[in-house]
Amino acid sequence: GIQVEQSPPDLILQEGANSTLRCNFSDSVNNLQWFHQNPWGQLINLFYIPSGTKQNGRLSATTVATERYSLLYISSSQTTDSGVYFCAVERGSGGYQKVTFGTGTKLQVIP
Amino acid sequence: DAGVTQSPTHLIKTRGQQVTLRCSPKSGHDTVSWYQQALGQGPQFIFQYYEEEERQRGNFPDRFSGHQFPNYSSELNVNALLLGDSALYLCASSGIPGNTIYFGEGSWLTVV
Repeated sequence: GIQVEQSPPDLILQEGANSTLRCNFSDSVNNLQWFHQNPWGQLINLFYIPSGTKQNGRLSATTVATERYSLLYISSSQTTDSGVYFCAVERGSGGYQKVTFGTGTKLQVIP
Repeated sequence: DAGVTQSPTHLIKTRGQQVTLRCSPKSGHDTVSWYQQALGQGPQFIFQYYEEEERQRGNFPDRFSGHQFPNYSSELNVNALLLGDSALYLCASSGIPGNTIYFGEGSWLTVV
């Protein structure tokens, strides 16, 4: 099956710093999404981004589907950004989609 | 607008027992997927339901089964529970397969 690797696996930032998280995938995909999982387990959708660039406040994401990677940028980090960030790729067609999550990046933002 | 809701939130079962977890999708969504997330790991895809049929399945044994009802809600059943089934079980819904996925808060299952 498809392999989805994220880097770095762990990241510690000082509040206010910027960071870039990377997601590499081994095969072509239909869709890619970024999620933030808070300490209570809730997965929050950040971006639905099969290709191109999107921005939402301090967060932005870029997916280069032809080169099989996606980047998540976090600017001016805050302690509330702490948690685990996952990318998830989707393959299939019509009503037959299979989602594979990446290995995750655990982010800790310290005051 | 209610999001994805799951029940129960937490439960403890004994090895060998059976468990049923429930999920109501976000309003307007008709596709439901289930995931298992062990501690320290990423979510693993169990299966996806669309139009009341299992459309895709991950690498999970037949002990894991599911159902989707006409109102699009779904159940996940796990038979003959093993200690290794202890995990957070997440339900997700989307409007159509391939669209943005929204997750519920999950059901924490502990098998003792």
